[in-house]
Amino acid sequence: GAVVSQHPSWVICKSGTSVKIECRSLDFQATTMFWYRQFPKQSLMLMATSNEGSKATYEQGVEKDKFLINHASLTLSTLTVTSAHPEDSSFYICSAVGMSWDNEQFFGPGTRLTVL
Amino acid sequence: AQTVTQSQPEMSVQEAETVTLSCTYDTSESDYYLFWYKQPPSRQMILVIRQEAYKQQNATENRFSVNFQKAAKSFSLKISDSQLGDAAMYFCAYRSAGVAAGNKLTFGGGTRVLVKP
Repeated sequence: GAVVSQHPSWVICKSGTSVKIECRSLDFQATTMFWYRQFPKQSLMLMATSNEGSKATYEQGVEKDKFLINHASLTLSTLTVTSAHPEDSSFYICSAVGMSWDNEQFFGPGTRLTVL
Repeated sequence: AQTVTQSQPEMSVQEAETVTLSCTYDTSESDYYLFWYKQPPSRQMILVIRQEAYKQQNATENRFSVNFQKAAKSFSLKISDSQLGDAAMYFCAYRSAGVAAGNKLTFGGGTRVLVKP
């Protein structure tokens, strides 16, 4: 099956610093990657859609200058939380869509971000 | 915009029994996909089952089956012979078949399933 990894799985940072989260498709090429945010006991909220070689498309209400997304290759997308604050603490999940697989989204294991 | 509603925040089932999770959605489209995802305590999202709207036959995957009622815009999930490992959050999701939608998923609020031994 298709495997998506995220790194790191857990990160703690100080307020004001930036944190980068990587999302990799390990055994397939991902034309599109999605970034979600999930608060405790809540559903997944789509933050942005990332297409290889082009600018990410952000959902309404998501600050593009705060959540920088780069999709530099067909197997890697990164989410950088800039000048993180405690309210950015959350669980971030990526997913990837391959060129085949009938456009199914394959999810990464998620990254827990805690901002002190 | 499409919306997905899961009206049951939590469901409890006895091991080996059957539980049915409800999901309704709102759309003006005729061609779309519906999914059920499982999120166990590890928080890894796992696809349980998918249904293409153009197919009248309800999808089945082992102990998991759906009741897809297109006219009613209803998509329930039945878990038969419940096992302890079925305990998780379950999310219903909608995806438009249109290219312009870009494969985006719209999730419901989730239903927590508790399995009692």
